[in-house]
Amino acid sequence: GQNIDQPTEMTATEGAIVQINCTYQTSGFNGLFWYQQHAGEAPTFLSYNVLDGLEEKGRFSSFLSRSKGYSYLLLKELQMKDSASYLCAVRDRNSWGKLQFGAGTQVVVTP
Amino acid sequence: KAGVTQTPRYLIKTRGQQVTLSCSPISGHRSVSWYQQTPGQGLQFLFEYFSETQRNKGNFPGRFSGRQFSNSRSEMNVSTLELGDSALYLCASSLVAGGRDEQFFGPGTRLTVL
Repeated sequence: GQNIDQPTEMTATEGAIVQINCTYQTSGFNGLFWYQQHAGEAPTFLSYNVLDGLEEKGRFSSFLSRSKGYSYLLLKELQMKDSASYLCAVRDRNSWGKLQFGAGTQVVVTP
Repeated sequence: KAGVTQTPRYLIKTRGQQVTLSCSPISGHRSVSWYQQTPGQGLQFLFEYFSETQRNKGNFPGRFSGRQFSNSRSEMNVSTLELGDSALYLCASSLVAGGRDEQFFGPGTRLTVL
């Protein structure tokens, strides 16, 4: 099985940078996803990592270290609309359609 | 391209009843996964269907079941409802659920059990 840990809440000001860490333990790693979920809405895909390193996509970047069981999501130039819950999810080998989600990190962006 | 649709969006039932939720995936997607989301437990995987076969199953009691039709539409059923089944039920579809395949989530069905 998996154990996925991420901070419960983070607060940052508009225009700043926030880094959300995620640590995981898995018996057979096969990819890590980051999703954004606004209150009352469905999660939406942000990024995917399966190899070590940094994936950059606009204001959002995600990093993975498989040997450390560690990932982070970096949000740059924060905007008020970035206030949401950010979910780290891990997929096991041979569990294609099954994602194990962390509890989510609530990011609060203040003016 | 239409997104994932789920019906109904809201449902109120009483303990002991049963309920059926429906999910229509994005056209061409063959994998449908179901999740339960509650404030206390977060998003928890229920099961996944691919080409009408259950490919993965989470740790939920047998009261939770599902199926997938030849057009990839999926239904999940919960029998003998309990108060603790109150949750947002999300379905997600993907092409084959492998590699970089992301899961696209539907808006969810909010189930309240009284």
